[in-house]
Amino acid sequence: GNSVTQMEGPVTLSEEAFLTINCTYTATGYPSLFWYVQYPGEGLQLLLKATKADDKGSNKGFEATYRKETTSFHLEKGSVQVSDSAVYFCALSDSGGYQKVTFGTGTKLQVIP
Amino acid sequence: NAGVTQTPKFQVLKTGQSMTLQCAQDMNHNSMYWYRQDPGMGLRLIYYSASEGTTDKGEVPNGYNVSRLNKREFSLRLESAAPSQTSVYFCASSDAGQGSDTQYFGPGTRLTVL
Repeated sequence: GNSVTQMEGPVTLSEEAFLTINCTYTATGYPSLFWYVQYPGEGLQLLLKATKADDKGSNKGFEATYRKETTSFHLEKGSVQVSDSAVYFCALSDSGGYQKVTFGTGTKLQVIP
Repeated sequence: NAGVTQTPKFQVLKTGQSMTLQCAQDMNHNSMYWYRQDPGMGLRLIYYSASEGTTDKGEVPNGYNVSRLNKREFSLRLESAAPSQTSVYFCASSDAGQGSDTQYFGPGTRLTVL
């Protein structure tokens, strides 16, 4: 079956540091890949997505590139802010009828001033 | 647009009690989902409804039932709550089948079973 593996946290960074959160996946077919973000006390919301190999998703300074050869979708940001503190989930959606989404376990990011 | 709404936000139950978690979406989405979120385990799918009138089991359906009341509403029922069902429950919706696979989440219900 499908699976998503992402680096365990928590990750603690100083403001303006470079962020990488690793994500690899196992899937049959050609899934869509996502990063969702969960701020404290809230539900998940889509951060970015990519639907085919070599696509780059980007939003709010975050980027991730769909790498089919390495089955990876690592999240990066050049300069994090305190407001980026949240839990980040990597996920994939298969091409089945109702588009079941498989989530990783989440990586907590804490950015300190 | 309110998006996806859930009630209640918090609930404490005693073992054996029953309750229903309510979810509604105003985006005219066909598909709706119930997840539970537990520390270190990410989100696990409990039940889903691909379209109005259909429901199917997800990864962890035992101890739960669902009702897709209409296109907007999808409820989750715990008939006899157990401490293992202490969790945060999220409802989500998507326009799966219409070319959009992004899921939109509600704010969650934090449930404690004593």
